[in-house]
Amino acid sequence: GENVEQHPSTLSVQEGDSAVIKCTYSDSASNYFPWYKQELGKGPQLIIDIRSNVGEKKDQRIAVTLNKTAKHFSLHITETQPEDSAVYFCAADSNSGYALNFGKGTSLLVTP
Amino acid sequence: EAGVAQSPRYKIIEKRQSVAFWCNPISGHATLYWYQQILGQGPKLLIQFQNNGVVDDSQLPKDRFSAERLKGVDSTLKIQPAKLEDSAVYLCASSGRTSPNYNEQFFGPGTRLTVL
Repeated sequence: GENVEQHPSTLSVQEGDSAVIKCTYSDSASNYFPWYKQELGKGPQLIIDIRSNVGEKKDQRIAVTLNKTAKHFSLHITETQPEDSAVYFCAADSNSGYALNFGKGTSLLVTP
Repeated sequence: EAGVAQSPRYKIIEKRQSVAFWCNPISGHATLYWYQQILGQGPKLLIQFQNNGVVDDSQLPKDRFSAERLKGVDSTLKIQPAKLEDSAVYLCASSGRTSPNYNEQFFGPGTRLTVL
């Protein structure tokens, strides 16, 4: 299946700072790139997504950028808060019918 | 609307035993997925159903894993016999045209399996 690489694996920021998580993918046929937040003991929750016909998308403090030529996409969280602490996963769809290939996750810690 | 339901939430078994997980997707969602999430990793697709038909089961270890979705709604995932390396969280997700974005997958809380 497609390979999705995610960096960094852990990220610690102070409250109010920005956090950036980066992903790369290998399948040029991918068109859908969601980001999920997973809290301990819970299933992943979609926080934002982007399609290949859009370069950037923003939702309040969260933004995602996509460079399809370079096969890069990134998650940006501004004005981080302690409740943003969680594991974040990037994903890319596959050509076999919307199934997602996930990165290995980034554990974000926001300290007060 | 109600989310994706899964049961049980936790299961502990010994190796070589069998286990089954149940998933009830969001009402009206035609597509159902089972993912395996090993500790410290992202979810990995095991099987994808469209209604009651299998779309992709290329990563399902078919010698020990099986899944069904007989009436196109609920689904069960079974492992028989279990191995130590099957210890993981098993996530069910669903998607469908009831969503504004039909790609969007909604995940259940998962079943945490420990094989001793």
